[in-house]
Amino acid sequence: AQSVTQLDSQVPVFEEAPVELRCNYSSSVSVYLFWYVQYPNQGLQLLLKYLSGSTLVKGINGFEAEFNKSQTSFHLRKPSVHISDTAEYFCAVSQDDKIIFGKGTRLHILP
Amino acid sequence: DTGVSQDPRHKITKRGQNVTFRCDPISEHNRLYWYRQTLGQGPEFLTYFQNEAQLEKSRLLSDRFSAERPKGSFSTLEIQRTEQGDSAMYLCASSPQGASGTGELFFGEGSRLTVL
Repeated sequence: AQSVTQLDSQVPVFEEAPVELRCNYSSSVSVYLFWYVQYPNQGLQLLLKYLSGSTLVKGINGFEAEFNKSQTSFHLRKPSVHISDTAEYFCAVSQDDKIIFGKGTRLHILP
Repeated sequence: DTGVSQDPRHKITKRGQNVTFRCDPISEHNRLYWYRQTLGQGPEFLTYFQNEAQLEKSRLLSDRFSAERPKGSFSTLEIQRTEQGDSAMYLCASSPQGASGTGELFFGEGSRLTVL
């Protein structure tokens, strides 16, 4: 079975500083990987996805992630965060016709 | 298109009562998923439909849980004889094709259940 591990439950970061949210996956076969975001009082929405091709994937709101097969990682990055990035971020992997989510990382933006 | 809608948004019930949640997916989407999310956890898969056919159920879905999608449009999730451990946010999502395709699920805002 596929799974993802998000290494940090909470990440505090100052506004305009860079951020990295870490995610490792467990799979011996090709995977599709995703990052979803859940803003306060809103439903989850897709931030970006890796299906194949370029290992650097760009998403909405200036986020990007890099697929690293040798390290089985799919870390999410943003060079400069804004207060509006306050949210919970979920790494996810496809399994059959389902999406399996990690436990989430809460991003706190400090003024 | 108004997106995925769920009703009710909040439900408070006493232990032992039955509750039903409704999900209206995006109209042209043939896949519909139910997830459960508890505090500090990511969404956990419960079940999914392709049109009216229920294709998979998680082991999390005990006999007290039942989901239907009778005409391949809206879906209901019923919990019978609720227990305090059922308190959670129940999320519905839809997709125009299998998640192994684009992988994009469109989520509703969820139905929060509190069992007293």
